[in-house]
Amino acid sequence: GENVEQHPSTLSVQEGDSAVIKCTYSDSASNYFPWYKQELGKRPQLIIDIRSNVGEKKDQRIAVTLNKTAKHFSLHITETQPEDSAVYFCAASKNNAGKSTFGDGTTLTVKP
Amino acid sequence: DSGVTQTPKHLITATGQRVTLRCSPRSGDLSVYWYQQSLDQGLQFLIQYYNGEERAKGNILERFSAQQFPDLHSELNLSSLELGDSALYFCASSAPSDEQFFGPGTRLTVL
Repeated sequence: GENVEQHPSTLSVQEGDSAVIKCTYSDSASNYFPWYKQELGKRPQLIIDIRSNVGEKKDQRIAVTLNKTAKHFSLHITETQPEDSAVYFCAASKNNAGKSTFGDGTTLTVKP
Repeated sequence: DSGVTQTPKHLITATGQRVTLRCSPRSGDLSVYWYQQSLDQGLQFLIQYYNGEERAKGNILERFSAQQFPDLHSELNLSSLELGDSALYFCASSAPSDEQFFGPGTRLTVL
């Protein structure tokens, strides 16, 4: 089955700096890659996603890049703010409404 | 608010007992997923239902079972509970667009 590895497990940055979280997946048939943000005690919420026919997608301070050949995708957050502090999960799935395999999560801390 | 509801919010029970967690998906979503999140752990996929039928199975224990009813709500049954089953259980739903919308979770504490 699909295996998703996520790095780093923890990340601490100064406010205003950029943060990058990377994920690799094993199943070349995977074609949908969402990123979720989970604040303490709350539900995971989708922040951005990318499909395999696109190499990059941007939404304000957040961007995701996908390298299908290398089977890895990354989340980039620019101009980080303290409210970006949370756990971020990547995931991969390979068909519509199919099972998603999640990475183990990255705890991001943005220091003011 | 994601539109996905879960009840109860909290559940405290004893080892050996059985509990049922309930999930109502967003209006129109046919897929329901169940996840387990232990303390400081990631999201472990348990099982997925699509329009009443089991579609995918993760590392779900034999003591756990689930079903999706004709009105599309789903229930996760956990039996012979052990201390290690204490966790946050999330339900999510999706339409064919793939994005999963998570409910607020049920926090299960087994004493």
